[in-house]
Amino acid sequence: NAGVTQTPKFRVLKTGQSMTLLCAQDMNHEYMYWYRQDPGMGLRLIHYSVGEGTTAKGEVPDGYNVSRLKKQNFLLGLESAAPSQTSVYFCASRAGLAGASSYEQYFGPGTRLTVT
Amino acid sequence: AQTVTQSQPEMSVQEAETVTLSCTYDTSESDYYLFWYKQPPSRQMILVIRQEAYKQQNATENRFSVNFQKAAKSFSLKISDSQLGDAAMYFCAYRSGWGDDKIIFGKGTRLHILP
Repeated sequence: NAGVTQTPKFRVLKTGQSMTLLCAQDMNHEYMYWYRQDPGMGLRLIHYSVGEGTTAKGEVPDGYNVSRLKKQNFLLGLESAAPSQTSVYFCASRAGLAGASSYEQYFGPGTRLTVT
Repeated sequence: AQTVTQSQPEMSVQEAETVTLSCTYDTSESDYYLFWYKQPPSRQMILVIRQEAYKQQNATENRFSVNFQKAAKSFSLKISDSQLGDAAMYFCAYRSGWGDDKIIFGKGTRLHILP
């Protein structure tokens, strides 16, 4: 049981390049999230998904797109990377039941992305 | 909109001592959940403790406990018998009890453990 995994762990991009970050979870969770973490900041929500085939915008969605074609995977895409997107990206997931215990989000190890 | 404030960017505590991390939040809702997450140097986010707003009893998990003051909108984390492995960033977080499925994080407090 690997939990939440993220691919890749590190990446360096040049301005204007595109890439996709992959998040996978093996816990059969309904909900999945993408966050970014910048120095001196907490985590900020980019996009999230409440189930296969659904996506929704979070706090800072501009410049990113997402897809949830399979329940276990949540992809984050950068179509034209900018230096402002240099950050550490975290994926998380949680079960779909209501109640405090199921609101717990399980996080992946993060992806450090640098855009030059 | 809800906000979460952690007023202590960094703190230090002697090993085996007790330390309290502060968190305040702003909301007009009556139903919500509060969390403390730990992020060690490995970057992995780990849930430390959670509190349901409708529960008056403060949550406790081994050496970790909270002081939840609903009227004051305060949610502090107390770590007893501090250990070297407790060194990390600690994030306070808020989730509405209904509506949008979003967690709002504070900016974090970096905790140093002095041997």
